[in-house]
Amino acid sequence: GDSVTQMEGPVTLSEEAFLTINCTYTATGYPSLFWYVQYPGEGLQLLLKATKADDKGSNKGFEATYRKETTSFHLEKGSVQVSDSAVYFCALSDLRGSSNTGKLIFGQGTTLQVKP
Amino acid sequence: DSGVTQTPKHLITATGQRVTLRCSPRSGDLSVYWYQQSLDQGLQFLIQYYNGEERAKGNILERFSAQQFPDLHSELNLSSLELGDSALYFCASRYRGQGDYTFGSGTRLTVV
Repeated sequence: GDSVTQMEGPVTLSEEAFLTINCTYTATGYPSLFWYVQYPGEGLQLLLKATKADDKGSNKGFEATYRKETTSFHLEKGSVQVSDSAVYFCALSDLRGSSNTGKLIFGQGTTLQVKP
Repeated sequence: DSGVTQTPKHLITATGQRVTLRCSPRSGDLSVYWYQQSLDQGLQFLIQYYNGEERAKGNILERFSAQQFPDLHSELNLSSLELGDSALYFCASRYRGQGDYTFGSGTRLTVV
């Protein structure tokens, strides 16, 4: 079945460092890809998304490009801040095909800690 | 406030008991999804409802059940609770099968 694999954390960076969190997926069909962020004690918030190959999602300085050839959707940010400390989840949703339910399938999550 | 309301925020109960978690979707959203977040299993899809009808089932135990009411709110019923059921339970809503998923802030269930 469909699945998402994220790099294991925790990832610890100094403020203003460059961030990459790797995400690869396995899916039949044409999934949409998402990054969600979960701040301590809160629910999941959509960070960015891409719905087709070569699309780039971006928000709040974060970016990710849908790479069909490498089945990847890596999250990047050029300069992280302490306030970016959170858990980041990569997810996919297959919106096409007879078996589609539209559910999200999540990776295991990557904890990011940014130190001042 | 995401527009998806989950109650209660916290729940502590004993093994063997039954609890009901409630989710009110964002206004206009017809689909409700339930997820369980635990340390060892990550975020697991449990069940989806669309306009009152069950649409898909994931890794939901037989001890768990759910329904979606005519006003579109949904309830997740967990019975014969075990220590391993302790987790954060999220619901998300979506308009039909399109658009972004909006998550509630979750219900933290602790089984003692």
